[in-house]
Amino acid sequence: GDSVTQMEGPVTLSEEACLTINCTYTATGYPSLFWYVQYPGEGLQLLLKATKADDKGSNKGFEATYRKETTSFHLEKGSVQVSDSAVYFCALTTYSGNTPLVFGKGTRLSVIA
Amino acid sequence: EADIYQTPRYLVIGTGKKITLECSQTMGHDKMYWYQQDPGMELHLIHYSYGVNSTEKGDLSSESTVSRIRTEHFPLTLESARPSHTSQYLCASSSLGQGSEQYFGPGTRLTVT
Repeated sequence: GDSVTQMEGPVTLSEEACLTINCTYTATGYPSLFWYVQYPGEGLQLLLKATKADDKGSNKGFEATYRKETTSFHLEKGSVQVSDSAVYFCALTTYSGNTPLVFGKGTRLSVIA
Repeated sequence: EADIYQTPRYLVIGTGKKITLECSQTMGHDKMYWYQQDPGMELHLIHYSYGVNSTEKGDLSSESTVSRIRTEHFPLTLESARPSHTSQYLCASSSLGQGSEQYFGPGTRLTVT
């Protein structure tokens, strides 16, 4: 079945450091890919998405590129801030769109000043 | 800004009690979901619905039930709460079609004593 594997955390970075959170997937067909973020005490919110190969999603300085050849969707940011401290989830949905999102297990990021 | 609401936000209840967690959305979304989030952050799908009078069980057997009598409302009921039900419960909704992101509510943190 469909699955998402993302790097385990926690990840601790100093402010202004570069961030990469790896995400790879297994899916039948052509999935849409998502990154969600969960701040402390809140629900998840969509950070960015890509719906076809080579698409790049971007938001709030974060980027991820849909790489079909490596089945990956790594999340990157060039300079993290303390306010980026949160849990990040990679997710996919398959072509039909009629199946629930499949989520990775989440990666906790802590950014220290 | 997503309009999906969950009540209560926090609930402490004794073993054996019946409880209903409320979830409502004002976006007219056909699809709605309930997730249980464990302390390790991983999300487990417990129920979902594709529209009125449609309900499906997810991956996690949680001994709960749901109903979908109205498009905007998707309550989750535990007939007899147990300490193992202590968790964070997240509700989400999405429109039909490929690439549709899920919008999440703020969550209900349930503690069963």
